[in-house]
Amino acid sequence: KQEVTQIPAALSVPEGENLVLNCSFTDSAIYNLQWFRQDPGKGLTSLLLIQSSQREQTSGRLNASLDKSSGRSTLYIAASQPGDSATYLCAVMGGGFKTIFGAGTRLFVKA
Amino acid sequence: GAVVSQHPSRVICKSGTSVKIECRSLDFQATTMFWYRQFPKKSLMLMATSNEGSKATYEQGVEKDKFLINHASLTLSTLTVTSAHPEDSSFYICSARGGDGNNEQFFGPGTRLTVL
Repeated sequence: KQEVTQIPAALSVPEGENLVLNCSFTDSAIYNLQWFRQDPGKGLTSLLLIQSSQREQTSGRLNASLDKSSGRSTLYIAASQPGDSATYLCAVMGGGFKTIFGAGTRLFVKA
Repeated sequence: GAVVSQHPSRVICKSGTSVKIECRSLDFQATTMFWYRQFPKKSLMLMATSNEGSKATYEQGVEKDKFLINHASLTLSTLTVTSAHPEDSSFYICSARGGDGNNEQFFGPGTRLTVL
């Protein structure tokens, strides 16, 4: 059974700092891995999708990497801003095309 | 990108009543749709997988008679919470998987259910 773990559970950083969020999964037989952002009381915003054959994806200040063999992914946020404050969710699509979510990392960027 | 809508976005109902939530893929045909539930400050938990024209597959611990799922067409899946109780209050999110071979899932904006 796929399990997805995100570390840290919460993170508070000053504005401008570069940061890394970690995601690990137990079953490497995946189709893809996706990073989402969720603001309080809101739905999901897709940030980056990495297919199982890819190593990384970039969008603006965000860079996500995938090491399928070791069951790890990282989300790198450059030059963090207060507007980046949100919960970041890692989600893995595996067998049956089911997507399993991690518990999330709550990020707070201080102005 | 592909758009998935949910209706209603917010619903308040009395205990014992049934509530239906609709999930629609607006600009693509979804071979598979999924229903998730999210408790406050928790992550999303997969409830069931819905395939067009067949019975839904429920995850362990999810009561299929309480959470009725119907996937009547390639663009519509519905979740009906039957005989709702306050503990069913939650944020329900659906997603749809397109048939483009990319296997990307597109998520709806969610429905917040409050049972009084």
